[in-house]
Amino acid sequence: QLQLQESGPGLVKPSETLSLTCAVSGGSISSTTSFWGWIRQPPGKGLEWIGTVYYSGSAYYNPSLKSRVTMSVDTSKNQFSLKLISVTATDTAMYYCARVRGLAAPASGAFDVWGQGTLVTVSS
Amino acid sequence: QSALTQPPSASGSPGQSVTISCTGTSSDVGGYNYVSWYQQHPGKAPKLMIYEVGKRPSGVPDRFSGSKSGNTASLTVSGLQAEDEADYYCSSYAGSNNYVFGTGTKVTVL
Repeated sequence: QLQLQESGPGLVKPSETLSLTCAVSGGSISSTTSFWGWIRQPPGKGLEWIGTVYYSGSAYYNPSLKSRVTMSVDTSKNQFSLKLISVTATDTAMYYCARVRGLAAPASGAFDVWGQGTLVTVSS
Repeated sequence: QSALTQPPSASGSPGQSVTISCTGTSSDVGGYNYVSWYQQHPGKAPKLMIYEVGKRPSGVPDRFSGSKSGNTASLTVSGLQAEDEADYYCSSYAGSNNYVFGTGTKVTVL
């Protein structure tokens, strides 16, 4: 079955760039019925949608983070990535990657498969 | 876009029912039938429980049900069990491939 696995540094310095990758296994990232998303959760707080990317490279971002976020897809490696620039302590969070079903697919608009998450701490 | 509004907490005794609300706007919850609900146990990733307002993925007990009226969606857990104690989040499609999550509700089984 489809599985997602996040990877990347667990510690990032303030003002630097947070970079994470999500490896997709058990299915193709080039599925026409799936989008791929990043969601984060600060310690003790709720979920926040960061953005969503399609296998073609089209990306959609949370307006509150849009100026600092870039998402991309590497179909040859069956993985997608997140970059968040100019990080501060408020970007400290558990970062999850997830599959988002397209609106013409079953379970439309739902984040139906999640990675286990990776904790990123922003600190000097 | 603002987070969808959920009550911070809800509780019920084993066997009882609990209903959680999720209030948005006509640009998200009220505008689309793409509301989903997630259960999150401590230290775990969220798990999809309801999609498209009231549909259940395979494997989710039929004790979990969802509905929507106007700009407010609801999740009802009937016949509460100890393992239902968790945080619950709603999410809605908000147009143009944007999504928004709710503020989260902690459900306690008394």
